[in-house]
Amino acid sequence: GDSVTQMEGPVTLSEEAFLTINCTYTATGYPSLFWYVQYPGEGLQLLLKATKADDKGSNKGFEATYRKETTSFHLEKGSVQVSDSAVYFCALSDPGTGFQKLVFGTGTRLLVSP
Amino acid sequence: EAQVTQNPRYLITVTGKKLTVTCSQNMNHEYMSWYRQDPGLGLRQIYYSMNVEVTDKGDVPEGYKVSRKEKRNFPLILESPSPNQTSLYFCASSLYPGLAIEQYFGPGTRLTVT
Repeated sequence: GDSVTQMEGPVTLSEEAFLTINCTYTATGYPSLFWYVQYPGEGLQLLLKATKADDKGSNKGFEATYRKETTSFHLEKGSVQVSDSAVYFCALSDPGTGFQKLVFGTGTRLLVSP
Repeated sequence: EAQVTQNPRYLITVTGKKLTVTCSQNMNHEYMSWYRQDPGLGLRQIYYSMNVEVTDKGDVPEGYKVSRKEKRNFPLILESPSPNQTSLYFCASSLYPGLAIEQYFGPGTRLTVT
């Protein structure tokens, strides 16, 4: 079945550091890929998405590129801020399931210190 | 404001006492879904609904029931809660399940079953 694997956290960085959170996936079809973010005490919000190979999703300085050859969708940001502290979830939606569910990774907690 | 609301936000109950967690969306979305979030496991889908009176099981449906009598509401019912259902629950909705369609999440309901 479909699955998403994320790097374990927490990831601890100083403000203005470069961020990478790794995500790889397994899917039977040609999935859509997403990054969701969960701020403390809140629900998940869509951060960015990509639907086909070599697509780059971007939002709020975050970027991720759909790499079909390596089945990866790593999240990057050039300069993190304290306000970026949150839990980040990589997820996929598979046409083989009619896009009827999101399959999530376990989440990676990011802690940014001033 | 477009949103998904859940009630209650926090609930402590005892084993076997029936409870309902409500979910409502004001975006006229066809698709709604319930997830549970557990440490180290990410989010897993419990049930989903493609439209009024159309529901189906997700990955972890045991011990849960749902109903979709109106388009805007999708309550989650635990007829006889057990301690292994202690978790953080999220309701989500989208216009329809499809390629790169964003799911909107509620703020979550933290349930403790003693």
